[in-house]
Amino acid sequence: AAGVIQSPRHLIKEKRETATLKCYPIPRHDTVYWYQQGPGQDPQFLISFYEKMQSDKGSIPDRFSAQQFSDYHSELNMSSLELGDSALYFCASSNLAGGNTGELFFGEGSRLTVL
Amino acid sequence: AQSVAQPEDQVNVAEGNPLTVKCTYSVSGNPYLFWYVQYPNRGLQFLLKYITGDNLVKGSYGFEAEFNKSQTSFHLKKPSALVSDSALYFCAVRDWGNTPLVFGKGTRLSVIA
Repeated sequence: AAGVIQSPRHLIKEKRETATLKCYPIPRHDTVYWYQQGPGQDPQFLISFYEKMQSDKGSIPDRFSAQQFSDYHSELNMSSLELGDSALYFCASSNLAGGNTGELFFGEGSRLTVL
Repeated sequence: AQSVAQPEDQVNVAEGNPLTVKCTYSVSGNPYLFWYVQYPNRGLQFLLKYITGDNLVKGSYGFEAEFNKSQTSFHLKKPSALVSDSALYFCAVRDWGNTPLVFGKGTRLSVIA
């Protein structure tokens, strides 16, 4: 079965650079979530989208922005990168309209390293 | 706001012995509870969930969890641990609908041969 696809899997950037992460949800899933997991930490919710509209906002820095496109894929844009942004970024999707059974399906993550 | 607590950072179990990973929750309404497992440098894999119904929930890889409303707990269990079960386990909670999952701090399970 198709899963959540994230790209790139690994990314190395310098401080103050920008980075863009992409997420392709499971087909027919209408909700996308972004999480940040620092080293040895639990995943922290950043932001989510339902039907291309922002639905919830968590601890996302002002330097970050995200959107969901007409084909339901989502992009997380990060600017003025800081060392502390080094983390594993997860995208997850779920299907609310199709009878949400509750669980989120996670991608394998994008590992961002800021030097 | 909902939250979950995993009181143990680390759980060590001998292979073949039963294992328990503890989780307690706090929600204002009915809880929707989940367990996920994470292997090194991998994504989060769904194990099982409690939405409604039977308090004992069975999930993937022989895991099960018991929902206890009076103790606000949702402990993960397995009758016989395998070395391959060694991983990081997260308990999570959410409200109904498309609200985000809130995760606990995680418990590292180490199964020793």
